[in-house]
Amino acid sequence: EAGVVQSPRYKIIEKKQPVAFWCNPISGHNTLYWYLQNLGQGPELLIRYENEEAVDDSQLPKDRFSAERLKGVDSTLKIQPAELGDSAVYLCASSSGSGSRTDTQYFGPGTRLTVL
Amino acid sequence: GNSVTQMEGPVTLSEEAFLTINCTYTATGYPSLFWYVQYPGEGLQLLLKATKADDKGSNKGFEATYRKETTSFHLEKGSVQVSDSAVYFCALSDRYGGSQGNLIFGKGTKLSVKP
Repeated sequence: EAGVVQSPRYKIIEKKQPVAFWCNPISGHNTLYWYLQNLGQGPELLIRYENEEAVDDSQLPKDRFSAERLKGVDSTLKIQPAELGDSAVYLCASSSGSGSRTDTQYFGPGTRLTVL
Repeated sequence: GNSVTQMEGPVTLSEEAFLTINCTYTATGYPSLFWYVQYPGEGLQLLLKATKADDKGSNKGFEATYRKETTSFHLEKGSVQVSDSAVYFCALSDRYGGSQGNLIFGKGTKLSVKP
């Protein structure tokens, strides 16, 4: 079974440029998460989808970040414009449940963003 | 609010040494508890989990017991190997409110095992 796929694996951009990250979850997983991981820190949730609905986006900085999961499968996270402080690893995860506390989340390898 | 506190690293051990990585949590409800591992250059992988008090999670020789009375979920392994070198994250998932199911992570503990 294929795991969570993310692309690109690495991205280097100039500040104020836009950037997008793509995630394809494990087949059949209806819950999808985007996390931000700063260097030396644990991941922090940005947004959670159940199917195509964003059920928790309270931690997403909506002035510059946006996300979509139009058909309830793959998802895109966008930053426009990027700032220096956005340099981090962006992780995608998926789970087969409905976001209950006992669900196991499966993580992709992440996209490492560097903003110059 | 909910939070997870892990012992700070890095932790350096010799092969076959005993490992303990401390993890304590604060939660408003009855969380599930997890240990994830991140090997160099790879994504986070679930190592083990426990969903209620006194449950013991185990995998690959690692164990952790959900202690509600001490709000702890310490990770242990009796004999570490060089291949266990990685960053270990403790995490919780609470059962109440809009954040149910969201993972809250500790800062991670880097383990290096020397031959």
